[in-house]
Amino acid sequence: QQQVKQSPQSLIVQKGGIPIINCAYENTAFDYFPWYQQFPGKGPALLIAIRPDVSEKKEGRFTISFNKSAKQFSLHIMDSQPGDSATYFCAAEFNTDKLIFGTGTRLQVFP
Amino acid sequence: NAGVTQTPKFQVLKTGQSMTLQCAQDMNHNSMYWYRQDPGMGLRLIYYSASEGTTDKGEVPNGYNVSRLNKREFSLRLESAAPSQTSVYFCASSEVGVEQYFGPGTRLTVT
Repeated sequence: QQQVKQSPQSLIVQKGGIPIINCAYENTAFDYFPWYQQFPGKGPALLIAIRPDVSEKKEGRFTISFNKSAKQFSLHIMDSQPGDSATYFCAAEFNTDKLIFGTGTRLQVFP
Repeated sequence: NAGVTQTPKFQVLKTGQSMTLQCAQDMNHNSMYWYRQDPGMGLRLIYYSASEGTTDKGEVPNGYNVSRLNKREFSLRLESAAPSQTSVYFCASSEVGVEQYFGPGTRLTVT
């Protein structure tokens, strides 16, 4: 089964905290792992993505950590801000241009 | 560039009615997708089109049909709407191996 399991379902942190969202997959053929950010009433938008040949990727305050042997990857948001409050989806893709999405994490960052 | 546009934004149908959701992109992408988003279930692929003139089933195609009218447009049709099809529908487009760009969504309620 081509699944991507995402946790937690929801997350509440204070401003400046470091929320961490985790995803796990089973299919070792997956070769592209993006994270999408979705604000209420909007479509998802690509936030950051990684390929399995690296273990970490940073873009601004957002970092993906990738553990190929454990088949897990996670999103860390450094110095989180109220404007980061959104739903975050991990996803995985292999060679077919189709993404398999996780079930989403609703993040709330309080001032 | 408008990116990916979807019409309508909102729709209420009665059980058994039919309707077509429209999607257009102006990024000259070959691939287009239809997803549905339900609480706690993430985004699930309904149908996708890898190029003009081709369409393939995704994870949840039952009850839907699609048409890739030309490179720009990809429509989703519900022939006989059911309450289980109450959802938010997103269209997306991409080139192979790079990010998918999502439209703003259509919120559909079937009573």
